[in-house]
Amino acid sequence: KQEVTQIPAALSVPEGENLVLNCSFTDSAIYNLQWFRQDPGKGLTSLLLIQSSQREQTSGRLNASLDKSSGRSTLYIAASQPGDSATYLCAVRADSSYKLIFGSGTRLLVRP
Amino acid sequence: EAEVAQSPRYKITEKSQAVAFWCDPISGHATLYWYRQILGQGPELLVQFQDESVVDDSQLPKDRFSAERLKGVDSTLKIQPAELGDSAMYLCASSSRTGGRETQYFGPGTRLLVL
Repeated sequence: KQEVTQIPAALSVPEGENLVLNCSFTDSAIYNLQWFRQDPGKGLTSLLLIQSSQREQTSGRLNASLDKSSGRSTLYIAASQPGDSATYLCAVRADSSYKLIFGSGTRLLVRP
Repeated sequence: EAEVAQSPRYKITEKSQAVAFWCDPISGHATLYWYRQILGQGPELLVQFQDESVVDDSQLPKDRFSAERLKGVDSTLKIQPAELGDSAMYLCASSSRTGGRETQYFGPGTRLLVL
């Protein structure tokens, strides 16, 4: 059974700092991995999607990497801003279905 | 930009009462998902529809939960009777598939509190 773990559970950094969020998964037979952002009490917004054949994806100040063989992904946020404060969730899609398996998220607070 | 619509946004009910949530997916999206997200956890899939057919409801507590998508467009998720442990955010998502690739678009969610 696929399990997704995110470390740390919470993170507080000063504005301007570069930071890395970690995601690990137990079954490497994934089709893709996706990073989402969730603001308090709101739905999910997709940030980056990495296909299993890809190593990384970039969007603005965000860079996500995928090491399928080791079951790891990282989300790198450059020059963090208070507006980046949110919960970041990673989710994997198995080869055999369209079902997404989510981690519990990392709650990020960027202090002005 | 088209969005997934959900209502109500918030619902407070007493245990043993019935509640219903509605979702209107993005136009043209054949696949619709209902997720439950308990506070501090990631979303967990409850049910997946392809058009009007259920594809996966393995995690749906069928003794009290039901879901339908009668015309393959909007969908309703019902809980009867509600229990204290059902307090959570209920998220709806829809997707279209192009060449095997799919992106799920999420609605704003319905936050349920059972007293």
